[in-house]
Amino acid sequence: DAKTTQPPSMDCAEGRAANLPCNHSTISGNEYVYWYRQIHSQGPQYIIHGLKNNETNEMASLIITEDRKSSTLILPHATLRDTAVYYCIVRVATIKNNNDMRFGAGTRLTVKP
Amino acid sequence: EPEVTQTPSHQVTQMGQEVILRCVPISNHLYFYWYRQILGQKVEFLVSFYNNEISEKSEIFDDQFSVERPDGSNFTLKIRSTKLEDSAMYFCASRMGLDSEQYFGPGTRLTVT
Repeated sequence: DAKTTQPPSMDCAEGRAANLPCNHSTISGNEYVYWYRQIHSQGPQYIIHGLKNNETNEMASLIITEDRKSSTLILPHATLRDTAVYYCIVRVATIKNNNDMRFGAGTRLTVKP
Repeated sequence: EPEVTQTPSHQVTQMGQEVILRCVPISNHLYFYWYRQILGQKVEFLVSFYNNEISEKSEIFDDQFSVERPDGSNFTLKIRSTKLEDSAMYFCASRMGLDSEQYFGPGTRLTVT
């Protein structure tokens, strides 16, 4: 599976958009990009995932570059409750690996008032 | 909204004792997982389970660990003889299909004394 690189920490002002980058330069054509977050010691929470196209849901938007070597998670209006560690995970879905998530260190996002 | 549940929320046990951590995945999901997170460290994959058998396991998942789906709803993780280093948060997760997102439970905090 492709490795991902994320900044260890970021700050964002409350009400502003939070843009979290992720590099995955060795991604292969059948690998999905997933984003999860973990608030304190709670269970990781799914945010969004995509393969090639940009995706949007009620939580966030995922922008994947045309060459798929990087992506950006956008939280359009960050709130204090969005303070968490955000994980970018690249994973291929096959019968063999069953697409378990392999977590790195992630980006610790702090939303400030 | 359906969710993964885990019991107990906190388990304290003595070294050498057996523990069983319980999970109820989301009802129509087919793929089941256990992860652990030692305090201050990243979330680590332990094992995946599909079609009533283990499909993948990490090097952490040694002979002391076992998983079972004893009925149509529960998914358990057993640690036969606990060690101090087994102290961690244990997360259960489930997924419907190969390319769908995983949903995580709130975790069980295991403390081995």
